[in-house]
Amino acid sequence: AQRVTQPEKLLSVFKGAPVELKCNYSYSGSPELFWYVQYSRQRLQLLLRHISRESIKGFTADLNKGETSFHLKKPFAQEEDSAMYYCALSANTGNQFYFGTGTSLTVIP
Amino acid sequence: GAGVSQSPRYKVTKRGQDVALRCDPISGHVSLYWYRQALGQGPEFLTYFNYEAQQDKSGLPNDRFSAERPEGSISTLTIQRTEQRDSAMYRCASSSGLAGSYQFFGPGTRLTVL
Repeated sequence: AQRVTQPEKLLSVFKGAPVELKCNYSYSGSPELFWYVQYSRQRLQLLLRHISRESIKGFTADLNKGETSFHLKKPFAQEEDSAMYYCALSANTGNQFYFGTGTSLTVIP
Repeated sequence: GAGVSQSPRYKVTKRGQDVALRCDPISGHVSLYWYRQALGQGPEFLTYFNYEAQQDKSGLPNDRFSAERPEGSISTLTIQRTEQRDSAMYRCASSSGLAGSYQFFGPGTRLTVL
């Protein structure tokens, strides 16, 4: 069963514009949600996780249990934000991770 | 080490050959994960270990795939009698294993089966 859905494969925004990368999940328990990012020629790395409620590089993500969403947002996109973004869900055992198919973000100068 | 390492970084093999992919996790990390990532897809879970015990191998696609972590540190993913459809990026990750912990990924091994 598809547990994590990222409906946009490609997303382009202009520098300085707001950006939102969508993520919806399906899980009956209490999931933990993450956003991972992969910059060009770099390895996959954690961007942020919902339990931390932090802002990293200007990005925030709020877990909405009613809508089962965990969208990633940034008010003003920067060129260095261009990367591949993956939403991930961890089952409540903490050891199973499910990734979405990813969204490729391009910030146009 | 400073991070998760994987070797080889690239592997080209002929159909029918066996391959072994190695993962060296962050020192002290209890949990180790293997993923396969096809082009245009997200990482797909294969299997994971806590220490040397393989906790879940439900993601291994068939019995040609196996993994081990005999001493609870380095892990090897072995693919026997490779097929062209096995071509993908194979990613390894490790974590502390605590609830809520996140994963540190290695650079991946790009496997191409001719």
